[in-house]
Amino acid sequence: GAVVSQHPSRVICKSGTSVKIECRSLDFQATTMFWYRQFPKQSLMLMATSNEGSKATYEQGVEKDKFLINHASLTLSTLTVTSAHPEDSSFYICSARVTNTEAFFGQGTRLTVV
Amino acid sequence: GNSVTQMEGPVTLSEEAFLTINCTYTATGYPSLFWYVQYPGEGLQLLLKATKADDKGSNKGFEATYRKETTSFHLEKGSVQVSDSAVYFCALSSWEYGNKLVFGAGTILRVKS
Repeated sequence: GAVVSQHPSRVICKSGTSVKIECRSLDFQATTMFWYRQFPKQSLMLMATSNEGSKATYEQGVEKDKFLINHASLTLSTLTVTSAHPEDSSFYICSARVTNTEAFFGQGTRLTVV
Repeated sequence: GNSVTQMEGPVTLSEEAFLTINCTYTATGYPSLFWYVQYPGEGLQLLLKATKADDKGSNKGFEATYRKETTSFHLEKGSVQVSDSAVYFCALSSWEYGNKLVFGAGTILRVKS
């Protein structure tokens, strides 16, 4: 199947700094990628839909100035958590849609803000 | 709106036991249905899917049948292994909802040897 690579897998940063997470589709072009956040022992919460060459569409309640999404090419989307705080600590997962009925997920990024 | 309801876990089974994880959904139109599996510290992997009523998705011994009349997509496996221990997510997507995946809360499965 299609491969989605997410980097880094783990990151620890100081409060107030920004962190960038990359999501790459390795063997296919993805016009649409999705960013999710997963809290411990909970389901995935869709944060935003990232469309190549256009602005991301954010879900209700997600701060777009806090979570900056850039989808500059058909194989790369980035999520930047700006001015991170401990409450932003979470597991972030990206996915890329291959067809209208199938999406592949990255391995996730564990962000810890200290 | 679209939603997915899964049975709460954790589900604890002995090796070779029969597994059922219930999943029901609410959706407009004709959604596609999925089961994803998440191993500890990893992202999600597609386990199986069904795109129309009465379809049966299957993979690695797991099966689920798309039942429109009961709006269900229960996951089953005849004989679980310790390596099946993971979190299982039922999900749906529909064109009417922009093909976004909507996930259930997830069910933790623990298989003991």
